[in-house]
Amino acid sequence: DADVTQTPRNRITKTGKRIMLECSQTKGHDRMYWYRQDPGLGLQLIYYSFDVKDINKGEISDGYSVSRQAQAKFSLSLESAIPNQTALYFCATSDNRGPFTGELFFGEGSRLTVL
Amino acid sequence: DAKTTQPPSMDCAEGRAANLPCNHSTISGNEYVYWYRQIHSQGPQYIIHGLKNNETNEMASLIITEDRKSSTLILPHATLRDTAVYYCIAPNFGNEKLTFGTGTRLTIIP
Repeated sequence: DADVTQTPRNRITKTGKRIMLECSQTKGHDRMYWYRQDPGLGLQLIYYSFDVKDINKGEISDGYSVSRQAQAKFSLSLESAIPNQTALYFCATSDNRGPFTGELFFGEGSRLTVL
Repeated sequence: DAKTTQPPSMDCAEGRAANLPCNHSTISGNEYVYWYRQIHSQGPQYIIHGLKNNETNEMASLIITEDRKSSTLILPHATLRDTAVYYCIAPNFGNEKLTFGTGTRLTIIP
């Protein structure tokens, strides 16, 4: 089983619908991240959390919200989806023990299409 | 973060060494250089990182110039499975959020 699991892997929805993407991890990491990737482009950071009580906005947080339900779970919500939120979404974790090593562990991605 | 510049694409013959360059001329003395790769639409995979000394692991080698303004990721014996987009990242010291640019699309030619 994957250490970082995202659900759903694929979702097609309509404009205005509320969507939740879920991420769970078994690595025991405190740090979790949500990234978005548009076709042919790099990854943009949406939100990140360094522990259960710590939530921070990334580069492109408008239109998104997150919830850190537990150390192992970090959910991304689109309250009212719009077509330009069609993208590939990645969850990632990193180890909080000791200095930051720069090694992020990514999930397999959730492909979201908003019609 | 230090701005990084990478060629948009490169080809390499299978079995040869793939050398991927990255310029990071604004990097500060205590900022690391990280390399990741993304195969097709999978999540990016960490490869290696370094500060000023050359580094090697089971996946690749990282050569950082003495002035630290550029680096080269070396895949010593490229295989078809190394076809991917490779990202060079140089975050500000203490910045624990990595920003991924558009990287270099490496194609391994049979």
